[in-house]
Amino acid sequence: NAGVTQTPKFQVLKTGQSMTLQCAQDMNHEYMSWYRQDPGMGLRLIHYSVGAGITDQGEVPNGYNVSRSTTEDFPLRLLSAAPSQTSVYFCASSYRRDREGFFGQGTRLTVV
Amino acid sequence: AQSVAQPEDQVNVAEGNPLTVKCTYSVSGNPYLFWYVQYPNRGLQFLLKYITGDNLVKGSYGFEAEFNKSQTSFHLKKPSALVSDSALYFCAVRSDTGRRALTFGSGTRLQVQP
Repeated sequence: NAGVTQTPKFQVLKTGQSMTLQCAQDMNHEYMSWYRQDPGMGLRLIHYSVGAGITDQGEVPNGYNVSRSTTEDFPLRLLSAAPSQTSVYFCASSYRRDREGFFGQGTRLTVV
Repeated sequence: AQSVAQPEDQVNVAEGNPLTVKCTYSVSGNPYLFWYVQYPNRGLQFLLKYITGDNLVKGSYGFEAEFNKSQTSFHLKKPSALVSDSALYFCAVRSDTGRRALTFGSGTRLQVQP
């Protein structure tokens, strides 16, 4: 079992560029989420999904898009990167409400 | 809406002493509570959870946590701290009726001195 796999691990973007952060899980989990981690602010929810074809916004969704066409994959798209999106991004999945979330190793994104 | 508060940015404790990392929460419905640990440049690792039942839950690496419904708290504890426990600790919550994504606190850095 690979668990939750995020790619890439590191990325540098120029302002205005777009990119997709990939997240895949092989545990057949219905719930998947994207968070960003900034110093002193914990993990803030960007978008989440409770199953294929179902997504919803979290606390900081602006500038990001998601889709969930399969149970396994939950990519996060940055439409036009801004320096404020410099952060560490984590993808997580869980089986249901009362089960713990499993996290990927993170993507460290720098926007210059 | 659901929220988590971790009132201490940092907790310092000497090796061998007991440690407590505080967490309070707010949810609609019944809470599902979790503690995670993060080591430098790593993802989050699950420590323990409270779903229902006994208010004292035990988890990995000798950690335990006490659920207190009246105080809406879920403090993390360990009887005897190790230097290797030094890390960033996050409390998280979701409820049985609300949003199904986890909501995290801002994190508490635990520093255990030799």
